[in-house]
Amino acid sequence: QKEVEQNSGPLSVPEGAIASLNCTYSDRVSQSFFWYRQYSGKSPELIMSIYSNGDKEDGRFTAQLNKASQYVSLLIRDSQPSDSATYLCAATPSGSARQLTFGSGTQLTVLP
Amino acid sequence: SQTIHQWPATLVQPVGSPLSLECTVEGTSNPNLYWYRQAAGRGLQLLFYSVGIGQISSEVPQNLSASRPQDRQFILSSKKLLLSDSGFYLCAWSTANDQPQHFGDGTRLSIL
Repeated sequence: QKEVEQNSGPLSVPEGAIASLNCTYSDRVSQSFFWYRQYSGKSPELIMSIYSNGDKEDGRFTAQLNKASQYVSLLIRDSQPSDSATYLCAATPSGSARQLTFGSGTQLTVLP
Repeated sequence: SQTIHQWPATLVQPVGSPLSLECTVEGTSNPNLYWYRQAAGRGLQLLFYSVGIGQISSEVPQNLSASRPQDRQFILSSKKLLLSDSGFYLCAWSTANDQPQHFGDGTRLSIL
């Protein structure tokens, strides 16, 4: 079992809709989570960090963490065509010897 | 503020030739440094990471090597490139294992 799993998509939503991206993690992974956005041909860009249960909002983005169910999600409200990208979920494992673990990413297309 | 520089942006090399990619970070001291490779349409593969000068951990057996000659300099090398070494190479830094990583612009390497 992968430590961080994402639905690879592709996920398509119409402009103005809410895009919902999900990520599950194994119990070996610790509880700091990050969402990255990667445009085609570009490097990943950090857009959200979440460390505790509940919701964290930043503009049109909301990250949700549910430790009991071991999932973290990213909601994008009022989706725009410029949000079309691959979204990577990442988590830090417990223990000092391990490094950030990335999911394989979900490709999002926002249709105008 | 912290910045990360990675060069060159693109590189075309013949099979069997050597490789040297360089990454430098500014605005922080003793960062964790990382080299990733991303094949087209795929996720991030961690190649090497370093928590200090001269300290290199390899995640995947490769014909690649990494070195950290200075605190904020990370170099990825190969003596003889293979066709399978083609990909998008990304350098990243973080302040600690449980903190988010920040990526450079990447080097797109094509092997002919």
